[in-house]
Amino acid sequence: GAGVSQSPSNKVTEKGKDVELRCDPISGHTALYWYRQSLGQGLEFLIYFQGNSAPDKSGLPSDRFSAERTGGSVSTLTIQRTQQEDSAVYLCASSLRGNSPLHFGNGTRLTVT
Amino acid sequence: ELKVEQNPLFLSMQEGKNYTIYCNYSTTSDRLYWYRQDPGKSLESLFVLLSNGAVKQEGRLMASLDTKARLSTLHITAAVHDLSATYFCAVDLSNAGGTSYGKLTFGQGTILTVHP
Repeated sequence: GAGVSQSPSNKVTEKGKDVELRCDPISGHTALYWYRQSLGQGLEFLIYFQGNSAPDKSGLPSDRFSAERTGGSVSTLTIQRTQQEDSAVYLCASSLRGNSPLHFGNGTRLTVT
Repeated sequence: ELKVEQNPLFLSMQEGKNYTIYCNYSTTSDRLYWYRQDPGKSLESLFVLLSNGAVKQEGRLMASLDTKARLSTLHITAAVHDLSATYFCAVDLSNAGGTSYGKLTFGQGTILTVHP
C-alpha cells in the first residue's frame, strides 16, 4: 500500500526565504511526526500530532519553525527566514497509534544557500 | 537529558561472520526500536522491543533488550552483503502516563559494510 509521501523531495532555497514542506501520512494513521536528520545533529524529534490533541512541539529548534496538520491528515512544516544551519533532511513519519512503530517517508532534503 | 549511544559507529565485516551492535541509553524506557537506513533512503523499521528480556529475530538479525542494564543489542549472524546499511536504535522517551507515543531519541547510527 501507499507509504508516507513527502514533497518536495529536494528543495534549494536562499537564506532568509520561507519554505513549506508537505507530508501525506499513511491513510488511517492517527499519529504524525516530523524529524530532522543532519550530519552534525543526527536524527532529532521536531513535533508530534495525535488526533485533535495539542501537538507536542518540544523539539522545534526555534520560533522560525512551525507545523500544522489539517483535517487530521496532511501536515505542513514551515520554516521562516531560513538559515544555513536549517539545511538537513526533514523526515515525516506516521503511525497507526501513538505507541505503534513509526513509518517514515523518504524525506525532503533542504539546502539553504 | 536522554542519551542514546551506539557502539561501534563503523563496522566493516566479512561475509559469513557474526557481530553485535550495542545500544546504551541513559534513562528508563521500556520501548526500544531498531531501524535500518540505506544510502539516500528513509528509515525502515526492523524491531520493536517492548519489555525487559524481549528478543526478536528476523532472518540474520536478532535484537534483544535489557531494561535493567539499559542496553539493547543487534546481533548479526553470518553477514551477507545485502545487510550493508546504517542501523539506528531509538528509545521512546514519551512514557508519560504509561503511554508511549513515538517521541524517539536516536543513537548516532552504526554504518555497517559487509565485504565479500
